[in-house]
Amino acid sequence: KAGVTQTPRYLIKTRGQQVTLSCSPISGHRSVSWYQQTPGQGLQFLFEYFSETQRNKGNFPGRFSGRQFSNSRSEMNVSTLELGDSALYLCASGFQSGRDTQYFGPGTRLTVL
Amino acid sequence: AQRVTQPEKLLSVFKGAPVELKCNYSYSGSPELFWYVQYSRQRLQLLLRHISRESIKGFTADLNKGETSFHLKKPFAQEEDSAMYYCALNPGNTPLVFGKGTRLSVIA
Repeated sequence: KAGVTQTPRYLIKTRGQQVTLSCSPISGHRSVSWYQQTPGQGLQFLFEYFSETQRNKGNFPGRFSGRQFSNSRSEMNVSTLELGDSALYLCASGFQSGRDTQYFGPGTRLTVL
Repeated sequence: AQRVTQPEKLLSVFKGAPVELKCNYSYSGSPELFWYVQYSRQRLQLLLRHISRESIKGFTADLNKGETSFHLKKPFAQEEDSAMYYCALNPGNTPLVFGKGTRLSVIA
């Protein structure tokens, strides 16, 4: 089975711009979660989707949003980028949330200048 | 509140020495705990989960409910074990709660 894929792998944006990141889960997986990884804070949960519905949301401002499509692919959007948004954004998929193992993608490295 | 604490940001050991990466959790229910590892330039991947009670790459971890701990151990460290290790708690219907990670450096 192909693993979780994320596109693009690298992005450079400037403050104030917006960005959309994409995640394709493992085939058959219906749950997709997004995490922000930084050296200082480690992995922080952004949101989780299951069957096109947002099931959980982390403690991030409304500039961070996401969605999931009927084929389980997911996108996250960050509007009005700030310098502090520079991070590695990880997507993880699982059969369903709960106690399933999460499989992570390689991440999208976002740099905000 | 659910919380995972990894008290060491960095742990350096010599090759062949025993390794113990500490993880403590706070959760009122019956926890499911994981260790994830991230090698340099590789994706985060599952190392082991406590319900499997298996040894992966020589690593084991035992859930101690009395001490609310899930420490990761290996009797003899190898250079290829150098990586970032994250302990994670799965509370059930909410997402994984990760610790901040411990960077293990194995010195030849």
